[in-house]
Parts: sequence; structure tokens; C-alpha cells
Amino acid sequence: AQSVTQLGSHVSVSEGALVLLRCNYSSSVPPYLFWYVQYPNQGLQLLLKYTSAATLVKGINGFEAEFKKSETSFHLTKPSAHMSDAAEYFCAVRINTGNQFYFGTGTSLTVIP
Amino acid sequence: KAGVTQTPRYLIKTRGQQVTLSCSPISGHRSVSWYQQTPGQGLQFLFEYFSETQRNKGNFPGRFSGRQFSNSRSEMNVSTLELGDSALYLCASSLAAVTDTQYFGPGTRLTVL
Repeated sequence: AQSVTQLGSHVSVSEGALVLLRCNYSSSVPPYLFWYVQYPNQGLQLLLKYTSAATLVKGINGFEAEFKKSETSFHLTKPSAHMSDAAEYFCAVRINTGNQFYFGTGTSLTVIP
Repeated sequence: KAGVTQTPRYLIKTRGQQVTLSCSPISGHRSVSWYQQTPGQGLQFLFEYFSETQRNKGNFPGRFSGRQFSNSRSEMNVSTLELGDSALYLCASSLAAVTDTQYFGPGTRLTVL
């Protein structure tokens, strides 16, 4: 069975501090992994995706994530938080068979000025 | 390119009624997926359509149905509405393959009274 676990439903960081949002997945086959961001009253926007190429993936807005197979993790990081980063972040896994997305429950990021 | 559009953006219905939501994918995209987003359950996959055929289905009752037209536009129907159906319904489109990015629309906010 496939699943995604996001540790920490709420994360607060100071402006300029490191952002670290955690995501662990469970998949019996090599997965494709995604991070999405959702701003209030909007749909989801893709930040980055891993599709079995480079394990360190760079996305938009300065975010990046590293695929670690041994730890079954795909944590999202950003060196310096900006006020505009405050949003809900979702990790998702998609496998070749079944062809559907499994989303984590989301992490709400608050940036403190 | 225009993004994914969903209509209407907001809906208020009463228990027992039925509702139809519409999704227009990005031009050239042949896959359309539907998700239900609620505070308690997060993002849950409803179904995916590809070339007018339902390719995958989540664990929702038969009251939830959908279809896709030859121009890839999709509709989702919920019959005999229940209070628990109140949610944000998101539509996402992608080209076709599993590794393709899903692009989300802004969602339809359904409130069932």
C-alpha cells in the first residue's frame, strides 16, 4: 500500500530562518514524489517533483527537496523563509501502477516577522 | 496557456439535492482527476478520467460520479447530498503519463445545508 506521512501539521519559523518540512512515504515500488503549495482559497501549485533522476530536486521560489531511498523520505527545505512562504504544503506520491496521487495531510507553515 | 478552470467557484445546496461541478483542463491535457479536500480528511482522490474513460477510482460511494467529454472537459456529479459532502472539490489536469505534473484548478467550494 502507498501512503504519505507529513510530520508536523503546523510549523512556525522566523523570517530568514531555515524551513524544513518533513515527508516520509511508503511504497512497494519506486515512487514519483511531489511537493505542492496551497495558498488560501486557491488550488495547489507544484513546487517540485522527483521522477527518478537527480535525488536533489530544485523547485520554484528557492525550495528544494532530497529523495533518500534508505530513509524513505522527501523532505522540503528552503534556506531562508520569506513572509510570502506562509501557506499549506502537501507532499504527494504517485506510482506507475494505479496512476493516482496519494497526498499527505499537509503542513501549515507560519512565518514570523 | 490558460490554466485549469472550475465552475462554479461556490455552491450552496441542501441535503438530498444533487450537484454538478465542471472542470476545463489545460489545452492539450487529456487526463483529469478530481479530489475532495476537507479539514478532517485532507485531500482524497475521487477519480481520474483519460480520453473519456475512467482510468482510476478512489474509495467514494456511488453517489459520486463523473464523466469526461471528447474535448477533455470533465464533470463531477454528486447525488443525494449529505452534510459531510461539504468540501472544496479540486480538479487537476495533466498530459497523460504518470510522471506528468498535475495542474490544479482553484476548486469549487460546496456547502451542504
